Amino acid sequence: AQSVTQPDIHITVSEGASLELRCNYSYGATPYLFWYVQSPGQGLQLLLKYFSGDTLVQGIKGFEAEFKRSQSSFNLRKPSVHWSDAAEYFCAVGAKGIDDSGAQKLVFGQGTRLTINP
Amino acid sequence: GAVVSQHPSWVICKSGTSVKIECRSLDFQATTMFWYRQFPKQSLMLMATSNEGSKATYEQGVEKDKFLINHASLTLSTLTVTSAHPEDSSFYICSARDGGAVSPPYNEQFFGPGTRLTVL
Repeated sequence: AQSVTQPDIHITVSEGASLELRCNYSYGATPYLFWYVQSPGQGLQLLLKYFSGDTLVQGIKGFEAEFKRSQSSFNLRKPSVHWSDAAEYFCAVGAKGIDDSGAQKLVFGQGTRLTINP
Repeated sequence: GAVVSQHPSWVICKSGTSVKIECRSLDFQATTMFWYRQFPKQSLMLMATSNEGSKATYEQGVEKDKFLINHASLTLSTLTVTSAHPEDSSFYICSARDGGAVSPPYNEQFFGPGTRLTVL
């Protein structure tokens, strides 16, 4: 069964500093990987996703993530954080459906809470 | 586009009562909807997957008689917590998958804002 580990429960960075949130996954086949952001009172918003191809994927809000199969990792990065980036971030892995269009489940990591110091 | 709403956003109920939570896809048809539960400072745990017009598929350990799911239309799924108890207090989140979209190999799930349930 697939699983996702986010080693850092809480990270604090200064505004303008760079950010890296770690994510490790366990899955036997080629994973579909996602990063979501959850702000208080709001639903999860997809930041970016990896299915195949270029291992460096660009997302919204200036985020990017790199898939490293050898390390089973999919770390999220941003070169310069803004105060509005303070939120909870979730890494998730999706399992491929039987017919490629079936209902695929998402398995989430524990989440990393990001705090931004002014 | 791809907006999912939930109602209510929060609810407080007495122990032993039942509570219904609605999940609606506002601008697309959702052939599949998912229900998650999130405890404070923890991750989202999938409870069940519902396909329009058929019975929901529950994850291991989730009581199907406790958490009734109905997906009667392509835009609405409901989760009813029956005979709620304080341990059922949690944040319930739904997501919907656009059945009309063709974006292999994986159709994105769109998440609702969640419903905070507190059982006294």
